[in-house]
Amino acid sequence: DTAVSQTPKYLVTQMGNDKSIKCEQNLGHDTMYWYKQDSKKFLKIMFSYNNKELIINETVPNRFSPKSPDKAHLNLHINSLELGDSAVYFCASSQDIRTGNGEAFFGQGTRLTVV
Amino acid sequence: GDSVTQMEGPVTLSEEAFLTINCTYTATGYPSLFWYVQYPGEGLQLLLKATKADDKGSNKGFEATYRKETTSFHLEKGSVQVSDSAVYFCALSDRWGSQGNLIFGKGTKLSVKP
Repeated sequence: DTAVSQTPKYLVTQMGNDKSIKCEQNLGHDTMYWYKQDSKKFLKIMFSYNNKELIINETVPNRFSPKSPDKAHLNLHINSLELGDSAVYFCASSQDIRTGNGEAFFGQGTRLTVV
Repeated sequence: GDSVTQMEGPVTLSEEAFLTINCTYTATGYPSLFWYVQYPGEGLQLLLKATKADDKGSNKGFEATYRKETTSFHLEKGSVQVSDSAVYFCALSDRWGSQGNLIFGKGTKLSVKP
């Protein structure tokens, strides 16, 4: 019944490693997002995809690469992890970003800790 | 660009006290406005929304009115409970300025004491 699910919930890894976070939504939405929440709880958009097409790509290092195999999935791959990448990453989905009111449904978050 | 400003926290209240969390916005177009809540260790949940001026969103005793003249969307609750302790985020979505994605305020942490 989970609307937006992301895995893993916790991820602890060493600097320099490559890791992926997976996200799936069963709401039939057209648009999916990745948000980053820093240690002060500030939330910022990283990427958005509409029907597998990249719509928004904020100023995010090239080490972060989103991949959308279909409109129900948006995965986030991170290369060469750095200490500053430690944060909580939220996946979200909404109706078509071009026509909807922007209301988004969020996953439970993935707490990434780079050591 | 579009932005959201909400009052700094933390806010500490006694149970049954009145709550106001101020939120103002700047937007290029005609945004939809939202309040999201994040309980400890959990993701964000939509609390309420308003999509046009003078709309009032309400849920679980919370309410907020979309005021275009003052560009505000203040969150209120008449009597808070311990279970309301969480971080509250004001957000907007503007098809022009934010390209439809959500822009969040910095969040206000609310602690309610019994």
